[in-house]
This record gives sequence, structure tokens and C-alpha cells, in this order.
Amino acid sequence: GAVVSQHPSRVICKSGTSVKIECRSLDFQATTMFWYRQFPKQSLMLMATSNEGSKATYEQGVEKDKFLINHASLTLSTLTVTSAHPEDSSFYICSAKRPAGGPNSGANVLTFGAGSRLTVL
Amino acid sequence: GESVGLHLPTLSVQEGDNSIINCAYSNSASDYFIWYKQESGKGPQFIIDIRSNMDKRQGQRVTVLLNKTVKHLSLQIAATQPGDSAVYFCAESFSGGYNKLIFGAGTRLAVHP
Repeated sequence: GAVVSQHPSRVICKSGTSVKIECRSLDFQATTMFWYRQFPKQSLMLMATSNEGSKATYEQGVEKDKFLINHASLTLSTLTVTSAHPEDSSFYICSAKRPAGGPNSGANVLTFGAGSRLTVL
Repeated sequence: GESVGLHLPTLSVQEGDNSIINCAYSNSASDYFIWYKQESGKGPQFIIDIRSNMDKRQGQRVTVLLNKTVKHLSLQIAATQPGDSAVYFCAESFSGGYNKLIFGAGTRLAVHP
């Protein structure tokens, strides 16, 4: 159980276009999802926290108008890279927070997707 | 602030040897730590976690050590295998962060036969 699916896994687009990446929790409801960006040979950088039914919380330095996040249901969050440029080329990874409870509440409740590689030409 | 690695240090080990991967975390308020393994082109895979009220936790072939005094975390892999070759990240969070994880710089583990 606890599977998170990202789509597409790879996308190539022209500069100036917008690209939407989906993150789905397949077998659980996720009130919170997180979006990360990872450049080659670097670590994962948290971009934003996506909460179902409310506005996303963006990390410092992340442009909210550039990276639109929508969490319209308990199983789906989307990241739209608007007017993409070559510098937006990166590996985008989402994680979904599983419902927590019991003595290990808060422990390892995040499941990561396989990532989406965006290449902007 | 966020921890971003400009380069990934590499640890090279012989198959069968033990590996020790180190990580320095940034927030003294962090109370939960996770080690992840990431293979090329894939998302992070959970390995082992530890809470701040512990200083050691063991799993299958892996052990995590936590030194809160110097904000240091280590991952020990026993009898390293070729399949262990990957990039390893530590991640930290704190109770008030609603499980928001901040990742460390990462270390590439290369296992040679």
C-alpha cells in the first residue's frame, strides 16, 4: 500500500509553454502533499506544501505565479510550470502524507512519487 | 535554511565492506530524521528513521546513529552490496513542520566488486 504516482514521468516542452505535472495518491487520501525540485547532482529542494482545499504554502524564493499548485481533491495535487524556460528544466518530485495515528504517529508518513523530468528546449 | 549540495561527495567501497555515510543537519529543533536512498531517475526510497529521543536504531543491514550535540547523523550499511550503489540523503523535520522534510546534500555510494 501507500503508492504515489506521478505523471508524466518525462516531458519535453518548448520555451514559453506551460506544463502540468500530476501527483496522485493511489490507495490513500492525502490532505497534504509536498513538491520538491532536484537539479542534477544536487539534493531535493522543497518548493511548496500543498494542502487539500486551500492555497499552497511556498518556500522562500519560489515564485507562486511561476509554479502553480492545485490540490483539488484528497488524492490529487498538480504542479503547473507556467511559461517554462530552460532554467526550469529539472526533476520534480512529489510526496504525499499518509494519515497518521497510533504510537508512531508522524513517523515515516510520507510516500514519494517516482519523479517527473522536465526538459525545456 | 535549506540545505543544497553543489556537489555530491562519493564514497567508494568494496563489495562486502561496511559503509558509513555521514550527514550534518541544520535545525537544532528537528526531532525526526530519515535516511533515503535514491537511484538514478527515481524518487527517494525510505531506508530507516530515528526520533530525537534515541541515539541509535537498527534495521536489516543498516544502522542509524544520531548525535544531537553536534547535529550529526550517520548511516551504516553492513556487508555492502552492488545493489546498494545509489545516492543517499538524510532528511530532517520537526513536529511543528507537519512532516515537511528538509533534505541534506547527499552522498553517492559506489560499490565495487
